[in-house]
Amino acid sequence: DIVMTQSPDSLAVSLGERATINCKSSQNILYSSNNKNYLAWYQQKPGQPPKLLTYWSSTRESGVPDRFSGSGSGTDFTLTISSLQTEDVAVYYCQQYYTSPHTFGQGTKLEVK
Amino acid sequence: QVQLVQSGSELKKPGASVKVSCKASGYTLTDYAMNWVRQVPGQGLEWMGWINTKSGNPTYAQGFTGRFVFSSDSVNTTYLQITSLKAEDTAVYYCARDRGYFDPWGQGTLVIVSS
Repeated sequence: DIVMTQSPDSLAVSLGERATINCKSSQNILYSSNNKNYLAWYQQKPGQPPKLLTYWSSTRESGVPDRFSGSGSGTDFTLTISSLQTEDVAVYYCQQYYTSPHTFGQGTKLEVK
Repeated sequence: QVQLVQSGSELKKPGASVKVSCKASGYTLTDYAMNWVRQVPGQGLEWMGWINTKSGNPTYAQGFTGRFVFSSDSVNTTYLQITSLKAEDTAVYYCARDRGYFDPWGQGTLVIVSS
């Protein structure tokens, strides 16, 4: 199975500052035939289901604010929030959908400093 | 709009069974597979497996074989049945449409197993 490891486990950032969450996969999740990274990011607020933020590593889902951006390739990926807002307080998960089982990272809890 | 609506919370005794439903609207159910994800309170997300909604063929992740059954009516609803419930099955169960990535997700169904 592909293991997804996020860092840090928790993060406190001041409002308006940049937040960066990392995700590392134990195997390459870049499919060479289409040059796509099979990596998605989700946001989960308390009492709510996860919400898709980005897929194919860097494609932002429709309606997601442009302060959220995904990057990376191969085994190393990053979710960046360019200017933290109060509504961004949540737990963030990465997920690989390159192969079954579709494993998630352990989550990163983002709070306001 | 595309939406998944799950059945309500359940309180069950150990050894009982539960069946969670996930009703899809805004798209044709059989155009996409459906995934099931478990979240134990306070913990992360765990992929349970998926069902091909066109053929009804399920695939289970390791650790979710035997007592867990995915099914579909091939119209607009998929189901998760758990038999011989144990305390450790207490969790929120989510359905999520398969686009490779998961989107959208149902609102979740809390299943509590307690004597």
